[in-house]
Amino acid sequence: DAGITQSPRHKVTETGTPVTLRCHQTENHRYMYWYRQDPGHGLRLIHYSYGVKDTDKGEVSDGYSVSRSKTEDFLLTLESATSSQTSVYFCAISESPSYNEQFFGPGTRLTVL
Amino acid sequence: GENVEQHPSTLSVQEGDSAVIKCTYSDSASNYFPWYKQELGKRPQLIIDIRSNVGEKKDQRIAVTLNKTAKHFSLHITETQPEDSAVYFCAASNAGNMLTFGGGTRLMVKP
Repeated sequence: DAGITQSPRHKVTETGTPVTLRCHQTENHRYMYWYRQDPGHGLRLIHYSYGVKDTDKGEVSDGYSVSRSKTEDFLLTLESATSSQTSVYFCAISESPSYNEQFFGPGTRLTVL
Repeated sequence: GENVEQHPSTLSVQEGDSAVIKCTYSDSASNYFPWYKQELGKRPQLIIDIRSNVGEKKDQRIAVTLNKTAKHFSLHITETQPEDSAVYFCAASNAGNMLTFGGGTRLMVKP
């Protein structure tokens, strides 16, 4: 597996609380992505980054924000978690989005009560 | 934006039989089509990909075909084995920064 870690791996939180998920890579890849995975929906892109401080929205960005202050770290923040954000979150990295493989992290299972 | 449809959502085959999963995409500018395999509780991992300048690609028991005119591509697994049981995802990219994934196919290979 490519050098990608996610933390925490599991989290249970309550509605209305802020949550930050971290993705860390040791591959020095330029592109980083956050996806959520829900039954029947496959993987849906939340936000992505194409460099330090360069980010853009994906398909399901409402309620989420991201930051990338270093090449190796990409943070996903839920400012005020809702039950609809209960999901498995995957981080992915890529050297080039169109012609190179996206490598996925191990995932974070988030439950919002 | 791109829309990727994947069928069937579940597929059950006997060990040794072939399995075929089909995907259609909407954006004619898409030019990169990877397939990922995800075992239970694990991360998705790339198993094969194809680019729009190629019609077919094969890697041992796995092959992918692409029909650009009809905007569909398919994954073929021959001589299925129990370890092929997993969820398979197709995806499409239009040389932008995003992959759009299909909804997934749960493949069950019965011994």
